[in-house]
Amino acid sequence: DTEVTQTPKHLVMGMTNKKSLKCEQHMGHRAMYWYKQKAKKPPELMFVYSYEKLSINESVPSRFSPECPNSSLLNLHLHALQPEDSALYLCASSPAGTVLKETQYFGPGTRLLVL
Amino acid sequence: QKEVEQDPGPLSVPEGAIVSLNCTYSNSAFQYFMWYRQYSRKGPELLMYTYSSGNKEDGRFTAQVDKSSKYISLFIRDSQPSDSATYLCAMSANTGNQFYFGTGTSLTVIP
Repeated sequence: DTEVTQTPKHLVMGMTNKKSLKCEQHMGHRAMYWYKQKAKKPPELMFVYSYEKLSINESVPSRFSPECPNSSLLNLHLHALQPEDSALYLCASSPAGTVLKETQYFGPGTRLLVL
Repeated sequence: QKEVEQDPGPLSVPEGAIVSLNCTYSNSAFQYFMWYRQYSRKGPELLMYTYSSGNKEDGRFTAQVDKSSKYISLFIRDSQPSDSATYLCAMSANTGNQFYFGTGTSLTVIP
């Protein structure tokens, strides 16, 4: 299995909702990442987990809450989002946990719309 | 000055043309260089990965790194309509925890 999967593909939520994004990889990678990407912009790093521990939080608002239950799974919990949080949310993984110094493999993303 | 500069295009070429995509960077510590292809509404897909300087070829794709000029290139030979996408360069250094994407170049290959 050489891919990163993300669910759901699309998500529409109101500003008072709570929802979660899920990411899985079965490549044995030890680092996993969340990115946010707005239209016609490059991905922006949000969080990095290395060996299941949060190693980087790029000053992301607390309405985004990451969780890494095990080495294959990464969640992003969403609560009280704003319309400007609407974007493509990308998950990525990399092999050795040498965070940000090696090739990252991306999932297809979850397209989020906040109403 | 941005860490990584990439011409956003858009770039439009006829099928069969050779395409040259480029990024410049300012941090001489960058050692890892990647090119990603991103189709509309999809995640980035890794195309090429190069460590330090030199060339790397994979099928119709060639990546070049010139560290003395702080310049990287991706060449696509015999371009196909299926190559129409946004191409993102990315790079990182051996030290620190930073990974930089270029802004992406939008490419359209016209049949």
